[in-house]
Amino acid sequence: DTAVSQTPKYLVTQMGNDKSIKCEQNLGHDTMYWYKQDSKKFLKIMFSYNNKELIINETVPNRFSPKSPDKAHLNLHINSLELGDSAVYFCASSRRSGGEQFFGPGTRLTVL
Amino acid sequence: SQELEQSPQSLIVQEGKNLTINCTSSKTLYGLYWYKQKYGEGLIFLMMLQKGGEEKSHEKITAKLDEKKQQSSLHITASQPSHAGIYLCGADGGANNLFFGTGTRLTVIP
Repeated sequence: DTAVSQTPKYLVTQMGNDKSIKCEQNLGHDTMYWYKQDSKKFLKIMFSYNNKELIINETVPNRFSPKSPDKAHLNLHINSLELGDSAVYFCASSRRSGGEQFFGPGTRLTVL
Repeated sequence: SQELEQSPQSLIVQEGKNLTINCTSSKTLYGLYWYKQKYGEGLIFLMMLQKGGEEKSHEKITAKLDEKKQQSSLHITASQPSHAGIYLCGADGGANNLFFGTGTRLTVIP
């Protein structure tokens, strides 16, 4: 069974569109995260979220918003996509704040 | 803000050779994580180090955290093609939000 899964694996879309990336974890973890990996393979935290608190990296544009329908899911919604949003987005989860993080396989977003 | 520098940025070794990847922080580390990313895939957790002087091993990979907790090294013994990938060190930036180094791309030539 996949521990942390993301859909879709690839997403190609036009500038200006709104899109969502889904993430699910079946590990029973309390905290989930979204990371962005740019073309230079630099990985940066975007959000961390548990059922009590959302922590946002201040550099993330407000076009990006995490949505959590329940503890096992943290979806990433992006409004008005821009060329610079093209990257690989990774979802992760951990049992508690400070614990080992398990990563999903990534979603490669290409904005044309 | 805290930064992590990895060296080298890329490494090409012959199969069977030993190698070391370094990760240096501008500030004291309170949790240093090593991950491996295979090309086009997700991150695989390797090890976490928390205490100064700590050393952990898994199969042929050994990671150490220095006493001052500002530098970590990852050592691979008798490298194999399966070791190829991008190695990332990550540190806890607070609230378990990891921030990562720039990565080291390892190529192992059979």
